[in-house]
Amino acid sequence: AQSVTQPDIHITVSEGASLELRCNYSYGATPYLFWYVQSPGQGLQLLLKYFSGDTLVQGIKGFEAEFKRSQSSFNLRKPSVHWSDAAEYFCALSSGTYKYIFGTGTRLKVLA
Amino acid sequence: DAMVIQNPRYQVTQFGKPVTLSCSQTLNHNVMYWYQQKSSQAPKLLFHYYDKDFNNEADTPDNFQSRRPNTSFCFLDIRSPGLGDAAMYLCATSSRSGSTDTQYFGPGTRLTVL
Repeated sequence: AQSVTQPDIHITVSEGASLELRCNYSYGATPYLFWYVQSPGQGLQLLLKYFSGDTLVQGIKGFEAEFKRSQSSFNLRKPSVHWSDAAEYFCALSSGTYKYIFGTGTRLKVLA
Repeated sequence: DAMVIQNPRYQVTQFGKPVTLSCSQTLNHNVMYWYQQKSSQAPKLLFHYYDKDFNNEADTPDNFQSRRPNTSFCFLDIRSPGLGDAAMYLCATSSRSGSTDTQYFGPGTRLTVL
């Protein structure tokens, strides 16, 4: 069965510190993977996506993610977090159809 | 800028009183989606339109209906809202081409049921 797991429900980091949000997936073939960010009371904004090719994907707002097939992971990283990055982050998988499978989300808190 | 627009951003209705939420897009995408998102949960797909072809998720309650009069607009109708329907409703669009879709979301409508 297809699934997406985000093991960390909450993460707190200090401003300026590095960030890694974990995403693990279960899928029998190469999935299409996405990271979205949702600020309070807002919709989801696409940060980056992986379809094929280079396994290190660059996104907006200084984020990047690395697809690791051997670990079934697609972790999101940022070298230096800003207070404005505080939000909820969703990892999603698509098998090539219209339907996304979302993880349960990771809520990021940034300490000044 | 091309975008997905949702109106209103906040909607208050009474228990059992029909309500309609609106979504429009300037992306000229052929697929439009409606999601329900409850607090601290992932979005849950209710249905989607591929052009004029309506696709309902199996577990979407009959209380939820949708209309897509043209490419740009899509509506979500809740016929008799219950307290459990209070949520954020997200509209998304995608262009069905190639091997998969990338979905672009609107800002959402927060529905309160009194």
